[in-house]
Amino acid sequence: EAQVTQNPRYLITVTGKKLTVTCSQNMNHEYMSWYRQDPGLGLRQIYYSMNVEVTDKGDVPEGYKVSRKEKRNFPLILESPSPNQTSLYFCASRGRYSNQPQHFGDGTRLSIL
Amino acid sequence: DQQVKQNSPSLSVQEGRISILNCDYTNSMFDYFLWYKKYPAEGPTFLISISSIKDKNEDGRFTVFLNKSAKHLSLHIVPSQPGDSAVYFCAAKRQGDYGGSQGNLIFGKGTKLSVKP
Repeated sequence: EAQVTQNPRYLITVTGKKLTVTCSQNMNHEYMSWYRQDPGLGLRQIYYSMNVEVTDKGDVPEGYKVSRKEKRNFPLILESPSPNQTSLYFCASRGRYSNQPQHFGDGTRLSIL
Repeated sequence: DQQVKQNSPSLSVQEGRISILNCDYTNSMFDYFLWYKKYPAEGPTFLISISSIKDKNEDGRFTVFLNKSAKHLSLHIVPSQPGDSAVYFCAAKRQGDYGGSQGNLIFGKGTKLSVKP
């Protein structure tokens, strides 16, 4: 089954404790992206990757890092999480052509205390 | 500045009637538009799309209309069913531009549709 898998689905942690949210896709997609969803703000892009070792900032990249060492994986790293990063996070992927729709994971709800 | 606007946070419709969800955009460089549906505790799923060279695209009960001069698109669901109750996101894609951001989507804030039996 074609899917985008995020882990963990839920996490409560404390300010400053580094965390990583993993994202993996099994569709051999070139493009991957991270979004955060906040009430009243919709989905905002954090980082994206056009292919292995090619990453770039989205609209709200501050406080986040990503890496793309393998085609299927695109982890989101919060080096020093802060309460304003409490949010619902989605990973997405699509093929190389920009008119292909993105496939989303089921989300990771992060609470930073 | 919000480039994709969904001005109605919520919409309630009776089962069997038409649901019309609206979306406005400001950037004339957008060349492709998509609608996603999102159920609670799940990720958004692709519903339907339309290229800027068309003014209508239909897929079963779902039709998207694009009015480029008004920078407006709408999603029509006919007939509406209780299973259509979800949050609907409108998204737009910019034309390819220098800097590698080609293909990135800009999302609206979403409209929560409730279809009552």
